[in-house]
Amino acid sequence: EDKVVQSPLSLVVHEGDTVTLNCSYEVTNFRSLLWYKQEKKAPTFLFMLTSSGIEKKSGRLSSILDKKELFSILNITATQTGDSAVYLCAVAEDFGNEKLTFGTGTRLTIIP
Amino acid sequence: GAVVSQHPSRVICKSGTSVKIECRSLDFQATTMFWYRQFPKQSLMLMATSNEGSKATYEQGVEKDKFLINHASLTLSTLTVTSAHPEDSSFYICSATPGIYGYTFGSGTRLTVV
Repeated sequence: EDKVVQSPLSLVVHEGDTVTLNCSYEVTNFRSLLWYKQEKKAPTFLFMLTSSGIEKKSGRLSSILDKKELFSILNITATQTGDSAVYLCAVAEDFGNEKLTFGTGTRLTIIP
Repeated sequence: GAVVSQHPSRVICKSGTSVKIECRSLDFQATTMFWYRQFPKQSLMLMATSNEGSKATYEQGVEKDKFLINHASLTLSTLTVTSAHPEDSSFYICSATPGIYGYTFGSGTRLTVV
């Protein structure tokens, strides 16, 4: 059975700290891995990773994929209270139907 | 950018009634849309894949007669929760793919069955 596992399940840090969120996966026909941020409503897109070893950056957030070890990390530097959210990792498989399998999520709380 | 509109954003209904949720792609055509369900403090679970002009594909464990999906046009998919019960209370989200690698989500519908 295909799996996407995120760790830790929850994380509480102080403002200004740097955090690393993990996502490992076991899928049959990997196509891409996506990171989303979810606050109170629908997830908002952060990154899509398809190639190994190429870091993607957006401001204080960055992410990288390791297709050999089947995992990805999401880094957030100089965290702010607005970063508090659930971060979801999802994997798309290459079956032509474009559906996503989501991980359990990491609930990040930033303390002022 | 590609936008998926979903409504209602929130609905409260009585047990035994049916509720329809709409998902529209506003500036692109979507032959395929996806319906997810999310219970409190859990991740998104795919319920079904909605295919324009044909029957939806349901994930294992999802009752197709209870969760009716209609995808009658290239911009609209609907999910009807029939004979709703309190255990159907959840957050329902649709998504579509405007491009080969893009995924766009609707804003979600919070359903409460009382």
